[in-house]
Amino acid sequence: GESVGLHLPTLSVQEGDNSIINCAYSNSASDYFIWYKQESGKGPQFIIDIRSNMDKRQGQRVTVLLNKTVKHLSLQIAATQPGDSAVYFCAEGSISSGSARQLTFGSGTQLTVLP
Amino acid sequence: KAGVTQTPRYLIKTRGQQVTLSCSPISGHRSVSWYQQTPGQGLQFLFEYFSETQRNKGNFPGRFSGRQFSNSRSEMNVSTLELGDSALYLCASSIGTSGRTPIGQTFGAGTRLSVL
Repeated sequence: GESVGLHLPTLSVQEGDNSIINCAYSNSASDYFIWYKQESGKGPQFIIDIRSNMDKRQGQRVTVLLNKTVKHLSLQIAATQPGDSAVYFCAEGSISSGSARQLTFGSGTQLTVLP
Repeated sequence: KAGVTQTPRYLIKTRGQQVTLSCSPISGHRSVSWYQQTPGQGLQFLFEYFSETQRNKGNFPGRFSGRQFSNSRSEMNVSTLELGDSALYLCASSIGTSGRTPIGQTFGAGTRLSVL
């Protein structure tokens, strides 16, 4: 079936540097994408989303880029902080699937912020 | 505003038993989705309920079932537990109105189920 995957399982960055987490997806029919952050012992926490008719969206310290040509999604975190250490998941959904509430998740990237 | 509440947080069961997990969505949210999270398979969609009806279902065996009550609270049941059912079960709620994307889907902390 369709899948959403991540290029790297782990990423270590120095505090203050920018982080880039990548995600490849295969379902060309995806209507939207969401990035989640999951800390140990907690459920996924929404970070930012982007619809398929957009190629960039910015939030507070985060930017999501969407390249539909190569089916690639990235999450950029500016000035990475220790509190950003977590597992990051990309997820995709298709409104045409009958329910906008079904998300397909990638395998996750563990981001570690080094002091 | 209270978040999504899942109970219990931890459960230990033995093979063959059955288990029921509970999820209370954010007030006003009518859609509740369930996900299974394991190290090997990641986050996988189980099913979604909206207005007491199952609206979508993932690729899980019939041992996994759920229901939703008139107050939008949802329960998930797993019968005849297997070792492979050990996982973190996550519930997510959203307004669920038709035509809107699930941008507002909020996850609970999950129920950690261990099957021995």
